Amino acid sequence: GENVEQHPSTLSVQEGDSAVIKCTYSDSASNYFPWYKQELGKRPQLIIDIRSNVGEKKDQRIAVTLNKTAKHFSLHITETQPEDSAVYFCAANGAAGNKLTFGGGTRVLVKP
Amino acid sequence: GAVVSQHPSWVICKSGTSVKIECRSLDFQATTMFWYRQFPKQSLMLMATSNEGSKATYEQGVEKDKFLINHASLTLSTLTVTSAHPEDSSFYICSARLAGSTDTQYFGPGTRLTVL
Repeated sequence: GENVEQHPSTLSVQEGDSAVIKCTYSDSASNYFPWYKQELGKRPQLIIDIRSNVGEKKDQRIAVTLNKTAKHFSLHITETQPEDSAVYFCAANGAAGNKLTFGGGTRVLVKP
Repeated sequence: GAVVSQHPSWVICKSGTSVKIECRSLDFQATTMFWYRQFPKQSLMLMATSNEGSKATYEQGVEKDKFLINHASLTLSTLTVTSAHPEDSSFYICSARLAGSTDTQYFGPGTRLTVL
């Protein structure tokens, strides 16, 4: 099955700086890669996703890039704000395409 | 749109009892719902895929007789933890996928189960 690795596990940045989280996946048949943000004790919220037919997608301060050849994708947050502090999870849908495999998560702390 | 609710949000029960958790898609139909388990400071671990009108598909290592899943309608799936023990204490989260969609999942708020 699909295996997703996520790095780093923790990330501390100064407010206003950029944050980058990287994920690698094992199944070349994966074609859908969502990113979720989870605040403490709350539900994961979909913040952005990308499909394998594009290499980059941007939504305001958030962007995701995908390198299918290398089987990795990254989340970029620019101009970080304290409210960006949360745990971020990447995921991939695998060959069957009907379920998501999640990375281990990255705890992001934005220091004011 | 795409709101998913869970009930209860938290539950405390005695060892040996059974607990039922409901997952509802409030403003859309979901042919497929998923049940995850999340330990503190860890990732989401898929337990089973719940398909409306058919038997759930369980992930390797998840006991189907322990974690009973029913998906009787396009807006409701239930997870019953039978004969709960302290090691079943965890955060259980469901997600729902829009009917006709092949991938995007929307998560419920989770249920924190504590077994004494």
